[in-house]
Parts: sequence; structure tokens; C-alpha cells
Amino acid sequence: ETGVTQSPTHLIKTRGQQVTLRCSSQSGHNTVSWYQQALGQGPQFIFQYYREEENGRGNFPPRFSGLQFPNYSSELNVNALELDDSALYLCASSSGTGDTGELFFGEGSRLTVL
Amino acid sequence: GDSVTQMEGPVTLSEEAFLTINCTYTATGYPSLFWYVQYPGEGLQLLLKATKADDKGSNKGFEATYRKETTSFHLEKGSVQVSDSAVYFCALRDFSGSARQLTFGSGTQLTVLP
Repeated sequence: ETGVTQSPTHLIKTRGQQVTLRCSSQSGHNTVSWYQQALGQGPQFIFQYYREEENGRGNFPPRFSGLQFPNYSSELNVNALELDDSALYLCASSSGTGDTGELFFGEGSRLTVL
Repeated sequence: GDSVTQMEGPVTLSEEAFLTINCTYTATGYPSLFWYVQYPGEGLQLLLKATKADDKGSNKGFEATYRKETTSFHLEKGSVQVSDSAVYFCALRDFSGSARQLTFGSGTQLTVLP
């Protein structure tokens, strides 16, 4: 069974740039969630995708956007990067049916905005 | 809105000591409660969960009981090991609305010394 994989693992951008982060969900999972984890904080929910549709969104501005593909992999896009966007971005997958709340997390993509 | 408050860290214990990490929550509905663990260099992993009042979740010697009257879900272990050194996150999932996200506490760093 393949777990959740994310890429890239680390990246550095400058203010105003755009970034795309990628996630492959665990085999058999059709739901992907994205979380932002600032240093020393718990993860904050960004949004969730279920069968290629956004299925819930946290308190993040529209410059945070996403996609889910037919194979259930997903992308997180952030436009007009700000310094406060520096964080670990976590992708988590789950099975949409019989949802028990358990999420399976990848190791994250660490974004630094200079 | 929903929130989770965790005991502030870091916590440093000697091997075989007793561990308690306090967690209290606020939720509008009837949440499921979780403890996730993040080992160094790894993604978040589910440690244990409880889905209704008075349920006890347990795994790897860790236990937590869902206390609705005190809105708490404290994590305990009778005898910690060096390998338990990690960051522990308490989280809730409220199924009363359309939101499908986990709400996390800020995490507690545990270091166990030999």
C-alpha cells in the first residue's frame, strides 16, 4: 500500500511569486485535504476535495486554490505569496465513504517565502 | 467555532515516567476526538481516537477517555520510552455541520530522556 506522497519537500520563493504543491493520495482514497502548519502551531485546515470538487474550505483567502485530478491526486496553488505563507503544507487523504475522521498525512512541503 | 486547547510544552520526562498531556475542547456539536503524533522527520500519524462520550481510545500503551462533562480528552501513558519522543496533537472533528475538517491544538513537544 502506497502512502501519501508530497512534492517538493522544500522550496524557497519570494514575495509576490506563485507556488504549486503536489500530493498523491493513498491508494483507494478519494478525498484529499490540505493543511497549513506554521512553526510551533497545529495544522490549520485550508480545503478539502472529494471526487474533484471542493468540499469544504477553511478561513483562507481566494489566492489559495486547489485541484483534484481523476486519479485523486491534488495540487495546492498559492498566488501572490506573502511572508506569512511560510509554513509546512500538509496533504492528507481519506476514504470519502464510511468516513470515520481518520486522515493519512504526507510528510509535507516546507515553503519559505523571502 | 470549534477549538482545541492543549497543555503547553515542551515536556521532558525520564524513561518509564508517567505521562499526561491535557486537552480540552469547544465544539458546537458532538465531535469525534483524536490524538495525532508527529515523529521527527515524519508526517502526522493517528495515535488513537474516540467517537462518543465515555469512549476510551488506546494504542501503543497510550490511552485517552472522551469526557463530555469536562470537555476533555487527556492523553496518558504509564511508562514512556525514548521512542515516544515526538510532538502530540489533540484534534476534533465536528460532524454537526458540513465542514469536514479536523481542528487541531497547537501541539505538545515530548522529549523522553534515557
